[in-house]
Formats: sequence, structure tokens, C-alpha cells
Amino acid sequence: GQNIDQPTEMTATEGAIVQINCTYQTSGFNGLFWYQQHAGEAPTFLSYNVLDGLEEKGRFSSFLSRSKGYSYLLLKELQMKDSASYLCAVRDPGNTPLVFGKGTRLSVIA
Amino acid sequence: DADVTQTPRNRITKTGKRIMLECSQTKGHDRMYWYRQDPGLGLRLIYYSFDVKDINKGEISDGYSVSRQAQAKFSLSLESAIPNQTALYFCATSDPDRGRETQYFGPGTRLLVL
Repeated sequence: GQNIDQPTEMTATEGAIVQINCTYQTSGFNGLFWYQQHAGEAPTFLSYNVLDGLEEKGRFSSFLSRSKGYSYLLLKELQMKDSASYLCAVRDPGNTPLVFGKGTRLSVIA
Repeated sequence: DADVTQTPRNRITKTGKRIMLECSQTKGHDRMYWYRQDPGLGLRLIYYSFDVKDINKGEISDGYSVSRQAQAKFSLSLESAIPNQTALYFCATSDPDRGRETQYFGPGTRLLVL
């Protein structure tokens, strides 16, 4: 099974950089996803890591260390619209659905 | 048009009533999922289906049932609704042939059981 931990809430200032951490304990591993979810809306895909290292996509980057069971999502040049929950999800090997962490609610303040 | 749709978007019902939530997709994906989301508890898997003849229980299937009527349709039923089933329900789809197999979510159904 999977156990996924993320901070419950974070606050950051507009224009700043914020790092949201995710740690996981798993019996196997076949990829880690980050989703963004605005209040009352559907989660939307942000990033995917299956190999160690950094994946960059515009203002967002995601990092994975499989040996440490650790990932982070880095958001640069924060904007007010980045206020949302960020969900870390892990996939086991084989035919299993994603397992989601409880999410980190990010508030961007002026 | 949205690729994954859910009906109804909002529903109020009474304890003991049977209700059905419906999900349709035009993505052509074989795999479909039902999740519920509660404040502080994140997304929890109720049932999932990898093709029309395949149904699997998730983490919290008690009190729920599902029907996979076609590749494009996956319905969730609450046989006798109870107040602690008040939640936001999401349907999702994925395609195992596309490498990382991203899950795509519908807009959600907000259910209130009185």
C-alpha cells in the first residue's frame, strides 16, 4: 500500500517562490503525479515524475527522489490565481489506480 | 465540450432515498473511477473499472454500488443515502496505453443528504 504525506496548508506572497513537499512510503513505485485543484472544481494534471530529477514546465517544476520517497512541487513568480490545493498522487506497479495525498492548500497573499 | 461529464452537478436528497450519479466520457478511455472528496480527507477511491466487464472495490465501497453500462458510461448508486455520504463526488478516466496514464477528472457532483 501507499502512505502519502503533504503539509495541510501553506501561505506565500505574490511574486515569491513556494515549495510544496510530498513524502511517500510504498510497497512499489511507478510514478508520481501533481494535480492542482481550485476550490469546488475538478483536479487538473500538473506534472509527472517517474525518474529521479527535476521536470520543469513554465513557472512550475517538480522534483523526485525515489531513494528518499520524496517529491516537491516548486511554483515560481506566484500569482493570486495559484491559490488552490495541490495534490500529490502515487501509482503502484501493476494495474492499480492512483493513491492521493490529502492535498496542500496554498494561499497566495498580496 | 467537456471530455468527462457528470450529472447531476448538484443534488439534495433525504436519508434513505436511492440516488444515482452518472458519468460519461468522450475520451475513449477504458478505465473509469469514482472518488469522493471530503474536507481534510482528500480524494478517496470508491470503485473503479478497467473495462466494461471489470468492476473493483476501492478504499470506501460500503454503501455504494456501480454499473459500467458501456465504455463511455460509469454510474454510481447510493442504495439508501445517509448523511455521512454528503460529499463532493468525482468521476475520472485514464488510458493505460498512454505511458504515464494520467487520470482526467469530471467537474464533480455536490451531494447533500439531509
